[in-house]
Amino acid sequence: QKEVEQNSGPLSVPEGAIASLNCTYSDRGSQSFFWYRQYSGKSPELIMFIYSNGDKEDGRFTAQLNKASQYVSLLIRDSQPSDSATYLCAVNMEYGNKLVFGAGTILRVKS
Amino acid sequence: DTAVSQTPKYLVTQMGNDKSIKCEQNLGHDTMYWYKQDSKKFLKIMFSYNNKELIINETVPNRFSPKSPDKAHLNLHINSLELGDSAVYFCASSQIRTGASYEQYFGPGTRLTVT
Repeated sequence: QKEVEQNSGPLSVPEGAIASLNCTYSDRGSQSFFWYRQYSGKSPELIMFIYSNGDKEDGRFTAQLNKASQYVSLLIRDSQPSDSATYLCAVNMEYGNKLVFGAGTILRVKS
Repeated sequence: DTAVSQTPKYLVTQMGNDKSIKCEQNLGHDTMYWYKQDSKKFLKIMFSYNNKELIINETVPNRFSPKSPDKAHLNLHINSLELGDSAVYFCASSQIRTGASYEQYFGPGTRLTVT
């Protein structure tokens, strides 16, 4: 079982729609969860982090965490073509004190 | 005022050569990392230093040797380069504190091509 799993996509949504990106993780003791956006040929850019169960909103982005289900998601409201990128889920595993990344989900927003 | 910088941005070299990549951060963080992103875009940690002390050393060939002269700098030296070392290498930094906060910020990456 992979430590952090994401659907590779591509996930295609029309401009203005809500994009929903999902991630599951294996380490039940994980405490910190991150979403990074990576444009082609660029470095990962931190866009959201969440530590507690529930929702955390920042502008058009909402991160959702459910530790019981070992599930974290990212919602992007009013999706724009500029949101087209690969979204990486990262989890701070309890063991080893390190971030483990999922393989990423490619998001395509079509105008 | 770049937060995490790396040099060089591109590195093309032949098999068997030795090369180094340098990283510097001006965020005042105490922890720095090296990641490798392969052709499938999978990002995997290689090493981590906290205040110049090695704290994470993943299963990486001995040909890779990190060095941290101070907490703002982390270099990566690679001996006897192989074709499989071709990848993008990212440096990152964070401030480790009590609790569960480990936001990491990435440098622009170094694209290494071994021919």
